Amino acid sequence: DVKVTQSSRYLVKRTGEKVFLECVQDMDHENMFWYRQDPGLGLRLIYFSYDVKMKEKGDIPEGYSVSREKKERFSLILESASTNQTSMYLCASTQIGTGRTEAFFGQGTRLTVV
Amino acid sequence: AQRVTQPEKLLSVFKGAPVELKCNYSYSGSPELFWYVQYSRQRLQLLLRHISRESIKGFTADLNKGETSFHLKKPFAQEEDSAMYYCAHHPTQGGSEKLVFGKGTKLTVNP
Repeated sequence: DVKVTQSSRYLVKRTGEKVFLECVQDMDHENMFWYRQDPGLGLRLIYFSYDVKMKEKGDIPEGYSVSREKKERFSLILESASTNQTSMYLCASTQIGTGRTEAFFGQGTRLTVV
Repeated sequence: AQRVTQPEKLLSVFKGAPVELKCNYSYSGSPELFWYVQYSRQRLQLLLRHISRESIKGFTADLNKGETSFHLKKPFAQEEDSAMYYCAHHPTQGGSEKLVFGKGTKLTVNP
């Protein structure tokens, strides 16, 4: 009963490439999030979206953009990949009124930029 | 700034010993705090939430508003508890729906 699915488990891209990471959820959640997970730095929020076509910057948005054209899908875009964007990327979703609701996570995409 | 702090990056205990993973927050009002866990090669998942006042896999966590803490405790650690643990704040007031996580604590339970 997988609820949040990320399109790729592993990706290897070259410096300067445009990279798309896709995330789909089947729980009709309003909120979706993109984090990057690095050892010693925890989960850092890149962007989140609280509705279709709505987005807010997180703590580290530089070098990234997002797209949410449909409620169930939230895409993270690396406009021009760089080696310092090598990381594990996690997508999550919650219902609106996040306070008491559980966040569901995807399995993660490990991106390597060479 | 609103913040969740986990002061220990690494914690190592022996099987059967008590374990406490620390979490402090800097939010005013009534925060909604959660613990998430990530076992090796698995996705991040909810362990427990303070509002439920429940014990999951032997773990409990009590919200202490005076100390602004939400420490995770287990009286007798097991090897299968070895994992990465994250404390998280879920917003409750109107406005941003931003989820905030601590930096995580890697727990190793040795045999």
